[in-house]
Amino acid sequence: DQQVKQNSPSLSVQEGRISILNCDYTNSMFDYFLWYKKYPAEGPTFLISISSIKDKNEDGRFTVFLNKSAKHLSLHIVPSQPGDSAVYFCAATLGASAGGTSYGKLTFGQGTILTVHP
Amino acid sequence: DVKVTQSSRYLVKRTGEKVFLECVQDMDHENMFWYRQDPGLGLRLIYFSYDVKMKEKGDIPEGYSVSREKKERFSLILESASTNQTSMYLCASSLYFPSEQFFGPGTRLTVL
Repeated sequence: DQQVKQNSPSLSVQEGRISILNCDYTNSMFDYFLWYKKYPAEGPTFLISISSIKDKNEDGRFTVFLNKSAKHLSLHIVPSQPGDSAVYFCAATLGASAGGTSYGKLTFGQGTILTVHP
Repeated sequence: DVKVTQSSRYLVKRTGEKVFLECVQDMDHENMFWYRQDPGLGLRLIYFSYDVKMKEKGDIPEGYSVSREKKERFSLILESASTNQTSMYLCASSLYFPSEQFFGPGTRLTVL
């Protein structure tokens, strides 16, 4: 049962344009969401996060939007650069109310390969 | 900067061998994690540890065990390697729950 889904395996955009990566989740108990970027032969690196009490978080060219009612989050990259080409993973974690050791475990989506063309 | 290192970048083993994957972090993080990454499946949690000598099963613990004797070191053990354990293995650490996890570079394990 995939609780976090990235339904687009790949996305191709032109340099300078906007990249929009999408993520859907099924567990309404998730209350903290993260995006990671992964280059080949490297481990994932943290990009940006958002708490469920917010609907938007911005960091430079990266903005994450959260729509709790739709159980959907998206990552916007503006403007896209060739160096942004990588695999992007969204992840979600349960809140403290989940109790026990479920709290803090990250559940990842399948990843989306972003290619930014010069 | 947090540094998470993994003992090998590439490893080739035979079916039935016992395999040890080592992970070390240098930032005094409480929590450590082992994931495997497979195409189309993303990262799946195998085991994690929130304290020395403490371990918890993740989503896919079958065929694996772990050891955490020291705070900075978390080992993943494949008791009897099988071909379906061919994968990229990623170690991560975090200071607290929930927070960003810092990942090592990964070990590409091939079981023949």
